[in-house]
Amino acid sequence: GQQLNQSPQSMFIQEGEDVSMNCTSSSIFNTWLWYKQEPGEGPVLLIALYKAGELTSNGRLTAQFGITRKDSFLNISASIPSDVGIYFCAGRGYGGATNKLIFGTGTLLAVQP
Amino acid sequence: DGGITQSPKYLFRKEGQNVTLSCEQNLNHDAMYWYRQDPGQGLRLIYYSQIVNDFQKGDIAEGYSVSREKKESFPLTVTSAQKNPTAFYLCASRDRARTDTQYFGPGTRLTVL
Repeated sequence: GQQLNQSPQSMFIQEGEDVSMNCTSSSIFNTWLWYKQEPGEGPVLLIALYKAGELTSNGRLTAQFGITRKDSFLNISASIPSDVGIYFCAGRGYGGATNKLIFGTGTLLAVQP
Repeated sequence: DGGITQSPKYLFRKEGQNVTLSCEQNLNHDAMYWYRQDPGQGLRLIYYSQIVNDFQKGDIAEGYSVSREKKESFPLTVTSAQKNPTAFYLCASRDRARTDTQYFGPGTRLTVL
């Protein structure tokens, strides 16, 4: 079946640093989504990508749909303490069942003030 | 405010008991989903429903049951047949206009004693 690898598993950074994380699929995806989850809460949608090569920003967050259609990247610039949480990628591959998403295992981000 | 609500936030049950988790949305979304989240793992799909009175098994449906009698509601029952029910349960819904973008509720933490 389709698999999604997300890296890194965790990051511990200083406030003000930039952050990069990525997801790689074993097959071509036609949608990439990025979510943030805080402890004890549901994931919140950050950015949605629908076309290969697409680059989309949401404030200090920027995500890209990889040209190969097998990967996606999320960057956070000038991190602040409230960026702490788990970031998940999700997507759907071509031929995948209608509206069923595959989720990465998450990247835990900790920001030291 | 439009959104997805889940109740209760925390739920405790004894082994051998069935328990029902509530999920309600007022976003007028057609499709609804139930996921299970365990530490260190991506979200796993339990059941989904694309329209009232219809639902499909996800990847880990054994020991769970659902109903979809109203567009706004998609309750999940965790039965005594579920061998390892302690987990964080997330409900999501999808906007028809954005075929892959799912929005999540705040989750229910179920603990079996």
